Amino acid sequence: DGGITQSPKYLFRKEGQNVTLSCEQNLNHDAMYWYRQDPGQGLRLIYYSQIVNDFQKGDIAEGYSVSREKKESFPLTVTSAQKNPTAFYLCASSIWGSLNTEAFFGQGTRLTVV
Amino acid sequence: RKEVEQDPGPFNVPEGATVAFNCTYSNSASQSFFWYRQDCRKEPKLLMSVYSSGNEDGRFTAQLNRASQYISLLIRDSKLSDSATYLCVVSEAAGNKLTFGGGTRVLVKP
Repeated sequence: DGGITQSPKYLFRKEGQNVTLSCEQNLNHDAMYWYRQDPGQGLRLIYYSQIVNDFQKGDIAEGYSVSREKKESFPLTVTSAQKNPTAFYLCASSIWGSLNTEAFFGQGTRLTVV
Repeated sequence: RKEVEQDPGPFNVPEGATVAFNCTYSNSASQSFFWYRQDCRKEPKLLMSVYSSGNEDGRFTAQLNRASQYISLLIRDSKLSDSATYLCVVSEAAGNKLTFGGGTRVLVKP
């Protein structure tokens, strides 16, 4: 089955630690995205990538880093510089450059700082 | 001003009633528009794309008003299962960077 997979589903982090969230897709999509969602809020864009080895900052990139070494994979690292990392993180992918293209989401990772 | 704005609600709707809500966007060059549905603690899923001429999918009708820069979603004959958060999504003209609104929460009650 084609789809987009995030892991882990739940993640606990101690203050001061970096953690990496995984996102893999087998839809052959060029574009991948990371969003953050806080309780009762909408999605805010962290980073996005249109093509392998290239990515762009979104609206709230500070304290996060990404890489795009393979088309299928777009891992997100939450660094110790992110002051309030507890949130629901969603990865998505879509075809780039095509109007009215649907974005597909993974099931999300809930990150909690303990 | 946020790029994409929605009334957060909640809209409390009696079962069987009609509910409608809007989403405004600030970039006049925006090209693509969507409504996504998000259930509690789940990922968003595409409900419908929004076309210039307006489009309907069963009980759901979406409209685009480019002059006033808003899109709308109307739900007829509301079901209990329609209770969710509805996210407005806009795509930039320059590419496919998707910008989400904050969502409108709809609660359908018996």
